[in-house]
Amino acid sequence: DGGITQSPKYLFRKEGQNVTLSCEQNLNHDAMYWYRQDPGQGLRLIYYSQIVNDFQKGDIAEGYSVSREKKESFPLTVTSAQKNPTAFYLCASSISGWSGYTFGSGTRLTVV
Amino acid sequence: QKEVEQNSGPLSVPEGAIASLNCTYSDRVSQSFFWYRQYSGKSPELIMSIYSNGDKEDGRFTAQLNKASQYVSLLIRDSQPSDSATYLCAVYTGFQKLVFGTGTRLLVSP
Repeated sequence: DGGITQSPKYLFRKEGQNVTLSCEQNLNHDAMYWYRQDPGQGLRLIYYSQIVNDFQKGDIAEGYSVSREKKESFPLTVTSAQKNPTAFYLCASSISGWSGYTFGSGTRLTVV
Repeated sequence: QKEVEQNSGPLSVPEGAIASLNCTYSDRVSQSFFWYRQYSGKSPELIMSIYSNGDKEDGRFTAQLNKASQYVSLLIRDSQPSDSATYLCAVYTGFQKLVFGTGTRLLVSP
């Protein structure tokens, strides 16, 4: 079955460490997205990519980095520069934004 | 700034009633509209999409779009406790991105 796989489901890291969240899709979608969701809050766009080897900053890109070397994969690195990294991270993909997104199951990151 | 507005709720309805969720958007050129359901601790799941004015029905769900008034709504008939979740409205205004509202929390009491 086609879908988006995010791993790991839960991640614990010490403050000051970089951490990479995985997102893989087999839907043959061109566009991929990373969102952050804090408790009781809406979705905030971190980065998005419309095509391989190209990506754009979203509304809250500071302290994050991404790469898009393959169509299927869009990993997100949370760097030590991110002030409040503890959150629920959601990856999504789309054939085009016009048709809506499919979301992965999310990664809950806790920094201690 | 393109915005999508939703009442955060909670919207409380008894089991079997109709739940009505509303969403307004600011960008007149918005082209497509979506409702996502998000259970606590889970990721959003697409439940309805609508592209033209009028009503679109899918089972117990009806999406309504009025582009002139810039609102989109979701009706849930015969509400069940399992419908208790946060409902996110999303609007496509171009550049391959959706703009999301902050969501309305729905509580259906038995």
